[in-house]
Amino acid sequence: NAGVTQTPKFQVLKTGQSMTLQCAQDMNHEYMSWYRQDPGMGLRLIHYSVGAGITDQGEVPNGYNVSRSTTEDFPLRLLSAAPSQTSVYFCASSGAGAETQYFGPGTRLLVL
Amino acid sequence: GQSLEQPSEVTAVEGAIVQINCTYQTSGFYGLSWYQQHDGGAPTFLSYNALDGLEETGRFSSFLSRSDSYGYLLLQELQMKDSASYFCAVTNSGGYQKVTFGTGTKLQVIP
Repeated sequence: NAGVTQTPKFQVLKTGQSMTLQCAQDMNHEYMSWYRQDPGMGLRLIHYSVGAGITDQGEVPNGYNVSRSTTEDFPLRLLSAAPSQTSVYFCASSGAGAETQYFGPGTRLLVL
Repeated sequence: GQSLEQPSEVTAVEGAIVQINCTYQTSGFYGLSWYQQHDGGAPTFLSYNALDGLEETGRFSSFLSRSDSYGYLLLQELQMKDSASYFCAVTNSGGYQKVTFGTGTKLQVIP
């Protein structure tokens, strides 16, 4: 099993550009989530999904979109990148509940 | 909303025992998890408590008191490789389960 995979590993964007961060898992997990982590801070929940077709907002959803068309994939879309979105983005998945999450390696995003 | 408090830094000696505390305020509490994150790496799951008491996994133990809204992670026989950040995280049960992370405790293990 590959676990949770994320692409790309690194990305540089200009302000106003859009992009999609990819996340996939091969553990047949229902629960998937996106977090951002800024220096010296914990992880803040952006969006999460409890199954295909079901998504909900987390703590910091503004400027981000998600969809969940399959169990395996949970992409995160930045609609119009801003410097405040410079961060490390982690995708995670877990089984029936959210209490035991498996994290991907992260995507480091720099917005100029 | 949810809030969690944990110490920002802890230093301990190799071979010793260290306790990292976490207090939380949340509605619809479901459980408390702990994660480890080395610099530049991804968080990895350590333990989870839904009920009061102690859960032991090798050198790591985690404790929860729901009545006190308090938990801790206990690391025994500290090794240099335990130097990392440790995060507590609350799962709440209002509607769909949501997870809120604390800001993390950076543990430095010294010889």
